[in-house]
Amino acid sequence: DAMVIQNPRYQVTQFGKPVTLSCSQTLNHNVMYWYQQKSSQAPKLLFHYYDKDFNNEADTPDNFQSRRPNTSFCFLDIRSPGLGDAAMYLCATSKTGQRNTEAFFGQGTRLTVV
Amino acid sequence: DQQVKQNSPSLSVQEGRISILNCDYTNSMFDYFLWYKKYPAEGPTFLISISSIKDKNEDGRFTVFLNKSAKHLSLHIVPSQPGDSAVYFCAASAPGGGSQGNLIFGKGTKLSVKP
Repeated sequence: DAMVIQNPRYQVTQFGKPVTLSCSQTLNHNVMYWYQQKSSQAPKLLFHYYDKDFNNEADTPDNFQSRRPNTSFCFLDIRSPGLGDAAMYLCATSKTGQRNTEAFFGQGTRLTVV
Repeated sequence: DQQVKQNSPSLSVQEGRISILNCDYTNSMFDYFLWYKKYPAEGPTFLISISSIKDKNEDGRFTVFLNKSAKHLSLHIVPSQPGDSAVYFCAASAPGGGSQGNLIFGKGTKLSVKP
């Protein structure tokens, strides 16, 4: 049973053309994360939602935005994708206050920019 | 400036032998460490964790050792099986709210277990 679902699995977008990646969860976790992982690199946190509160990492470019309309869904919007934004984008969820529980990851969306 | 370092990009082990994956960290505030396993075309899945109040945690074939003075942890897999072939990520977090509690990942080590 998939608990964190990312759509699409593969996304090809044109340079400069806005693109949206989606994530949904059935775990009812109140924290949702977006990570960017480039080849042979560590997953890098872009931002996270603590309930409805948005927390941006200091070095996340303005080109990356996020929306969380409800507990179950979270979107990653890339306003003007550049070639350097090609990466795997991972969504994850966790439950607040239980740091001894792990984050649950989706399968990821691999973004290609042409 | 990497706070979590996995210096070996890859490791190859014979089936049945021990696999030892290493991880070093620089942030002395980290107090919770996790290992994730990632198969190709899948997201990372949680494997095992350890709190800084412990120096060892065991779960079946998987054991994580923590050496706080050396800021080093290792994951031991005994015996290794071909199905263990995957990329293993080390992650750490610090106490506190906001970004402090978020996971910081290493670059991963690709383990290949040969039959």
